[in-house]
Amino acid sequence: SQQGEEDPQALSIQEGENATMNCSYKTSINNLQWYRQNSGRGLVHLILIRSNEREKHSGRLRVTLDTSKKSSSLLITASRAADTASYFCATVPIGAAGNKLTFGGGTRVLVKP
Amino acid sequence: ETGVTQSPTHLIKTRGQQVTLRCSSQSGHNTVSWYQQALGQGPQFIFQYYREEENGRGNFPPRFSGLQFPNYSSELNVNALELDDSALYLCASSLVGRGVSEKLFFGSGTQLSVL
Repeated sequence: SQQGEEDPQALSIQEGENATMNCSYKTSINNLQWYRQNSGRGLVHLILIRSNEREKHSGRLRVTLDTSKKSSSLLITASRAADTASYFCATVPIGAAGNKLTFGGGTRVLVKP
Repeated sequence: ETGVTQSPTHLIKTRGQQVTLRCSSQSGHNTVSWYQQALGQGPQFIFQYYREEENGRGNFPPRFSGLQFPNYSSELNVNALELDDSALYLCASSLVGRGVSEKLFFGSGTQLSVL
């Protein structure tokens, strides 16, 4: 079973627009991370936000975390065609054995030139 | 480029066979994790190795086993392959102790097809 669920499952936008995707999770966490995957290959770490943080920025990325609602959002500003990829949230639940990351099902983003 | 390499990139097996997938961790990393990603889904945690010992396991049967070597390279072995084992297998390395995971560095994966 997957801890996180992303919404929407798919997103299509024009280059230059902003893309927002959301992640909900079920249990208390140590941190939440966002990863990007191109064409079904390896995942690339984008950003990590800890449970005591509410917002974090990295370049064109903005992540928020609301632990009371068990949800997070990823905003990509001024999107580019190269941002086309699948985006996954991943959580580290408190007390999880083996320090495993639990991934959601992903949001598939298409940025049209 | 993460420095994590996996081999082979693609593999075709038949049901009932055994397979070994290999991973070379990023230099300096002491922990390796394996994930299974079915088409259209997120990665599922199989297990993690820290200093050559299994350090956590997901909901996978015992026919999924692994090894980590002194140079921190790793193998994933799957016995008695089933059709549902067809997936992308991802290796990820990190530098942690037995505390909370920080970010993972993923390889490009091995695409396994079971016919």
